[in-house]
Amino acid sequence: GIQVEQSPPDLILQEGANSTLRCNFSDSVNNLQWFHQNPWGQLINLFYIPSGTKQNGRLSATTVATERYSLLYISSSQTTDSGVYFCAVELDSSYKLIFGSGTRLLVRP
Amino acid sequence: NAGVTQTPKFQVLKTGQSMTLQCAQDMNHNSMYWYRQDPGMGLRLIYYSASEGTTDKGEVPNGYNVSRLNKREFSLRLESAAPSQTSVYFCASSAALQGEQYFGPGTRLTVT
Repeated sequence: GIQVEQSPPDLILQEGANSTLRCNFSDSVNNLQWFHQNPWGQLINLFYIPSGTKQNGRLSATTVATERYSLLYISSSQTTDSGVYFCAVELDSSYKLIFGSGTRLLVRP
Repeated sequence: NAGVTQTPKFQVLKTGQSMTLQCAQDMNHNSMYWYRQDPGMGLRLIYYSASEGTTDKGEVPNGYNVSRLNKREFSLRLESAAPSQTSVYFCASSAALQGEQYFGPGTRLTVT
């Protein structure tokens, strides 16, 4: 089956720093979503981005479907950015989201 | 507009007990899903419902049943709980299959 790999697995930042999270996938996909799971466990939609680039405030994402990867950029990080970031992909022929194992981010004040 | 809501938030069961997890969405979405998340892992699909009146198995359906009660509600039932079902359960919905999915707050279930 499809492999979804996220890197790095863990990341510690000082408040104000920038970071890039990566998601590689092993097959062509119909869509890709980025989520933030906050410390209370809530999954928050960040981007629905099967291809191209999107920006939302300090966050932006780029998916290059032909090369099978997506990047999530966090600029000027804040302590509230802490949590786990998941990418999830949906195969062309499927209906379910397949999640990567996540990047755990800790932003220190 | 509450989005996707789930009840209960927490539950402790003894092995062999049964219970139903409730999920409702107010976004007029056609498709609904149940996932489980085990510690340190991403989510895995248990069952899904493409539209009202249909349900299908996902990746890990054993030990569970579902009911799509109407367009808004999709419940997950554990008939005879086992410790291996200790997990956090998330319900999600999307306008259609292969669309952006929105998640509820989760139910933390412990089976002793």
